[in-house]
Amino acid sequence: KNEVEQSPQNLTAQEGEFITINCSYSVGISALHWLQQHPGGGIVSLFMLSSGKKKHGRLIATINIQEKHSSLHITASHPRDSAVYICAAGGGADGLTFGKGTHLIIQP
Amino acid sequence: NAGVTQTPKFRILKIGQSMTLQCTQDMNHNYMYWYRQDPGMGLKLIYYSVGAGITDKGEVPNGYNVSRSTTEDFPLRLELAAPSQTSVYFCASSYSLSGRGNYGYTFGSGTRLTVV
Repeated sequence: KNEVEQSPQNLTAQEGEFITINCSYSVGISALHWLQQHPGGGIVSLFMLSSGKKKHGRLIATINIQEKHSSLHITASHPRDSAVYICAAGGGADGLTFGKGTHLIIQP
Repeated sequence: NAGVTQTPKFRILKIGQSMTLQCTQDMNHNYMYWYRQDPGMGLKLIYYSVGAGITDKGEVPNGYNVSRSTTEDFPLRLELAAPSQTSVYFCASSYSLSGRGNYGYTFGSGTRLTVV
């Protein structure tokens, strides 16, 4: 069974700061997902990675398959980035294994 | 395009009551999932389906049942509700290409269920 660990669990930063959230998983996978959940809201898929790096606006996701590690970066952070960011591993039909999430607060 | 639609958004049940959480997707995804999210925990898989007529248990299936009579619909049935089933439930869908990979993960907006 895959274990997915995220760090940090909680992160408070000032607007404009560069944010990094880390994710490690225990078993080799075919894909790693980064998701965003706003308070009381639904879950939105940000990235699906199988290798290398992806960028979307101010968000960057990287993955190192050999080290079983992925990072999510936010450049020029903004209060609207405040949310829970969830890492999830897997790629098969039997669903994803989720981390517990990182609660991010960006203060103005 | 509605994506994944879940109903209801909120529900309070008494112990021992039953209910069905509805989930519909309009993206012709072959894979569908039910997860529950408890405070401080990652989402846990309850049941999943790889296509109409095929369902399988996930990590936490006890107390739940599902069916998949069509590609679009994947209802989750709670029989004899218990306080331990108080949680937020998410339906999700995705697709595979010739059984390889798993793409387009889309989540519903969630159902907040309280059992009292």
